[in-house]
Amino acid sequence: KQEVTQIPAALSVPEGENLVLNCSFTDSAIYNLQWFRQDPGKGLTSLLLIQSSQREQTSGRLNASLDKSSGRSTLYIAASQPGDSATYLCAVGWETSGSRLTFGEGTQLTVNP
Amino acid sequence: EAGVTQSPTHLIKTRGQQATLRCSPISGHTSVYWYQQALGLGLQFLLWYDEGEERNRGNFPPRFSGRQFPNYSSELNVNALELEDSALYLCASSYWGSPLPYNSPLHFGNGTRLTVT
Repeated sequence: KQEVTQIPAALSVPEGENLVLNCSFTDSAIYNLQWFRQDPGKGLTSLLLIQSSQREQTSGRLNASLDKSSGRSTLYIAASQPGDSATYLCAVGWETSGSRLTFGEGTQLTVNP
Repeated sequence: EAGVTQSPTHLIKTRGQQATLRCSPISGHTSVYWYQQALGLGLQFLLWYDEGEERNRGNFPPRFSGRQFPNYSSELNVNALELEDSALYLCASSYWGSPLPYNSPLHFGNGTRLTVT
């Protein structure tokens, strides 16, 4: 069964700290992995998309890595800010699923001023 | 560039009624996806439409249905509503075309909050 797991479920850090969010997935036959952010009661905002042939993607203070062989991805957030507080979701697109994504349960991040 | 728009933002229905949710994709996007986000259950894939055709369907009963119009907008219909259908319904769009159909990120709308009483 194709599943996506995110650990931890919740994380609270002081402002300015660097942090890492983890995502693991079964079945390495993926075509891409995406990281999203969701604010309470809102839709999802796409942060980064990593193609299966790539090892990492960067956008501003965010860096996402992908290790297909071990079924893992990490989202690194540098110099965290209170505005980064949100739920971060990892989603995997598998080769057998077309354009359909499977989402993890998310990590709820709180950055304290 | 206008984002994905969904209407209505909130919808309250009673058990047994029908609900219709609407979605307009980003201009140029041909694919529309519907997801359900129920409390405590995470995001569950419902339906994927591309070029007016249903391409994939999640593990939901047939009373969940939809369609995509020639202008690529989409409707999600939920018949015979049940209490457990209460959720945030999210629509997303992307471009599903060559040369890299698998690598267009999904863009989500803000959702329709459906409450069934």
